[in-house]
Amino acid sequence: GAGVSQSPSNKVTEKGKDVELRCDPISGHTALYWYRQSLGQGLEFLIYFQGNSAPDKSGLPSDRFSAERTGGSVSTLTIQRTQQEDSAVYLCASSPVTGAKNIQYFGAGTRLSVL
Amino acid sequence: AQSVAQPEDQVNVAEGNPLTVKCTYSVSGNPYLFWYVQYPNRGLQFLLKYITGDNLVKGSYGFEAEFNKSQTSFHLKKPSALVSDSALYFCAVGGARGDYKLSFGAGTTVTVRA
Repeated sequence: GAGVSQSPSNKVTEKGKDVELRCDPISGHTALYWYRQSLGQGLEFLIYFQGNSAPDKSGLPSDRFSAERTGGSVSTLTIQRTQQEDSAVYLCASSPVTGAKNIQYFGAGTRLSVL
Repeated sequence: AQSVAQPEDQVNVAEGNPLTVKCTYSVSGNPYLFWYVQYPNRGLQFLLKYITGDNLVKGSYGFEAEFNKSQTSFHLKKPSALVSDSALYFCAVGGARGDYKLSFGAGTTVTVRA
């Protein structure tokens, strides 16, 4: 597709269940970011992938959160043993190259609701 | 280290009036400044950025922003607001030494009334 694609668009789960969120970046973009957007708050950085380099996981809030990027393209964010405070919109963004100077292109997000 | 503040949670203006959304920043190096807009149930969309050069930056949909180094500000402006400009606006800053990430503000909800 032409833009960043995220699936599912909405996810409702029960507390304690695991969830997987998918991000398909723009073709050819080497940098990929995950953010969390909670109601009334800005974007919270979670994790960053750049090519074959080790990802920057410094923003992951707990060890229940993990992410991988296969083949330098599609990325999956996994949340284990979900808690109610995990409810938020999870946004993925990609960029042609690394670096803070570059425009990030965002997907529409996955709205996660933990009951 | 880097951070950005958007002091107004909400801005309300009448259609046709000037629109200003405020942003101040803090960064240890030369700042890279961005404005993004988010429409309901959509991802963020790039509006404009300042990296270097002219302090006045023009972007999409008639928006512009002025980089003011002395006041560490990067306010977003539009001379004549439209109802369709109603959205959530985010300011972001990057450029801290050794950091390639952006830090986003909490966002400002703009409502333009007809």
